[in-house]
Formats: sequence, C-alpha cells, structure tokens
Amino acid sequence: GQQVMQIPQYQHVQEGEDFTTYCNSSTTLSNIQWYKQRPGGHPVFLIQLVKSGEVKKQKRLTFQFGEAKKNSSLHITATQTTDVGTYFCAGYSGAGSYQLTFGKGTKLSVIP
Amino acid sequence: KAGVTQTPRYLIKTRGQQVTLSCSPISGHRSVSWYQQTPGQGLQFLFEYFSETQRNKGNFPGRFSGRQFSNSRSEMNVSTLELGDSALYLCASSLQDRGEAFFGQGTRLTVV
Repeated sequence: GQQVMQIPQYQHVQEGEDFTTYCNSSTTLSNIQWYKQRPGGHPVFLIQLVKSGEVKKQKRLTFQFGEAKKNSSLHITATQTTDVGTYFCAGYSGAGSYQLTFGKGTKLSVIP
Repeated sequence: KAGVTQTPRYLIKTRGQQVTLSCSPISGHRSVSWYQQTPGQGLQFLFEYFSETQRNKGNFPGRFSGRQFSNSRSEMNVSTLELGDSALYLCASSLQDRGEAFFGQGTRLTVV
C-alpha cells in the first residue's frame, strides 16, 4: 500500500533559525496536504498543493510539491516559538482513493 | 459555524469490552474519516464514509468498524478491546472530495 515517509522525526532549532521538513511518497500523489498539530491539540490544515512543481507561500512558510508529485517540503524561515508543534504531510494516491495517508510527522521544538 | 464534534472526549475501558465513539461533522460536510493516532505509529487511516457508504478502509482488523447515518454523523466501534487499542481517535470531515480535512478534538481511549 501507499507509504508516506517524513524526515526528520524531530528538529530542535534556536529561535530565528530556519526549519525544513521533507516528505516522500512511495506512489504518485494526486495532491499533498500539510497539517500542524500543537501539543495536546488536533491536526489543523495548513495548505494543499495539487500541481507538479507547485510552490506556495504563507508568510514565513514555503511549501513545495515535487515535479514527479511524489515528494514535498515545508520550509519555515526565522522560526518563532509559536511555530512549535508537529508538522504532518498527507496525500491521496489516486483518482479512486479517498484514503488520506499521513507521514509520521516532524516534531519541531524552538529554543527561545 | 460549529466545528467537528467528537464524543466522548475521554474513555477508559477494560480489555475485552467494546466501545462506540461518535463524530458529528461540520454542517454540510458529507465525507467523514477516522484516524487512530499513537506516539509510535502517527496518524493511521481507519475508514472514510460518504453518504452512508464506506469508500475506503485502512489496514485494521475487523474488530474496527464504523457507519455513517443519513445526517452524516458517524460512529466507530471497536470490539474485544486490546491494550494496544489505547490511542487518540480522531474524526475529520471534508466538504470536497480529497479537500481540506477538519479534525475534531478526538477521543482519548485508554484500555486497561
């Protein structure tokens, strides 16, 4: 079945440093979504990418979808303590699939 | 607009018992998905329902079942509980197929 790998599993950064998490799927994705889960909370949708090579920005966050639609990345510039949480990528693998498969997430800690 | 509501929030059950969890989606959302979240395995897809039909099922044993009612509310049932079923069970609803998933706060199930 479809697998979505995400690295790193943990990342500790000094406030103001940049952060990147990478996502790799075993199959071609029809789209990729990113979610953020704060400690003790539930996943909250950040963005969806659909097109091959797509790049989207949300303030300090930059999301990319690979040309082959099998990988993606999330880059945060100048991290802040409010960025703390676990970031998940998730994707659907085919036209007939309604199964959203999640990566295991990258837990980000920001040291003030 | 009310979010996704899951009840109960916390549950303690004994091994061998069964449990039913409930999810009320956002009004107008007809797709409801269920996930099991554990520290070791991350978010794992259980099943997805649309208009009372299960469209996808994840790789879980038959002890895990679900259903959706005509008002889009959904329930999931776990029979013959095992210690390993202890987890946060999350429900998510979507307005569009393969669109943004809105998660509920989850039900924290502890099996003792």
